[in-house]
Amino acid sequence: GEEVAQTPKHLVRGEGQKAKLYCAPIKGHSYVFWYQQVLKNEFKFLISFQNENVFDETGMPKERFSAKCLPNSPCSLEIQATKLEDSAVYFCASSQNGGMEAFFGQGTRLTVV
Amino acid sequence: ILNVEQSPQSLHVQEGDSTNFTCSFPSSNFYALHWYRWETAKSPEALFVMTLNGDEKKKGRISATLNTKEGYSYLYIKGSQPEDSATYLCACLTGANNLFFGTGTRLTVIP
Repeated sequence: GEEVAQTPKHLVRGEGQKAKLYCAPIKGHSYVFWYQQVLKNEFKFLISFQNENVFDETGMPKERFSAKCLPNSPCSLEIQATKLEDSAVYFCASSQNGGMEAFFGQGTRLTVV
Repeated sequence: ILNVEQSPQSLHVQEGDSTNFTCSFPSSNFYALHWYRWETAKSPEALFVMTLNGDEKKKGRISATLNTKEGYSYLYIKGSQPEDSATYLCACLTGANNLFFGTGTRLTVIP
């Protein structure tokens, strides 16, 4: 597609439930980045992929967060046993190669109640 | 994780004024510097990508410069308009192809 598609737009989960977010990068883009936006301006880096390979996952809370980018499928970010502090907007971005601008999806707003 | 800092955190200017803000980043392992414009409830949109020391880019009334040796970039807006009100994010791309964002400068242009 011509734009980064994130689904769902909104997701509400009870504390302890699982949440799964999806991101379809722009066709032909090799790099995918996930960010968590909690505070107004802060884009916290979570994980990056080159195709289906994890590039850097140093930002991921490993106990409960996992992510995949499998061939011919949207990328996914999964949170097991959500906590209240996981409430945030999760943005996905893709770029053609590492040196080029990143294109962002509209974000998924996760609310944990 | 890379520490990218932006200042000021927020800024109010009068319509017609020119303004600028700063992005600081570690100069080691640097690959590129990105600037994005972000309006709340929308996706960030790329303004510039710069890679070389001394790079200058311009798009209309907005321009940016890059100093990789000392680790900073400036974004300038000439003759600010109310529609320029947004958060301006810079992001540093490392040699490992990871993109780390600063916390942004929120600009409000007062008519």
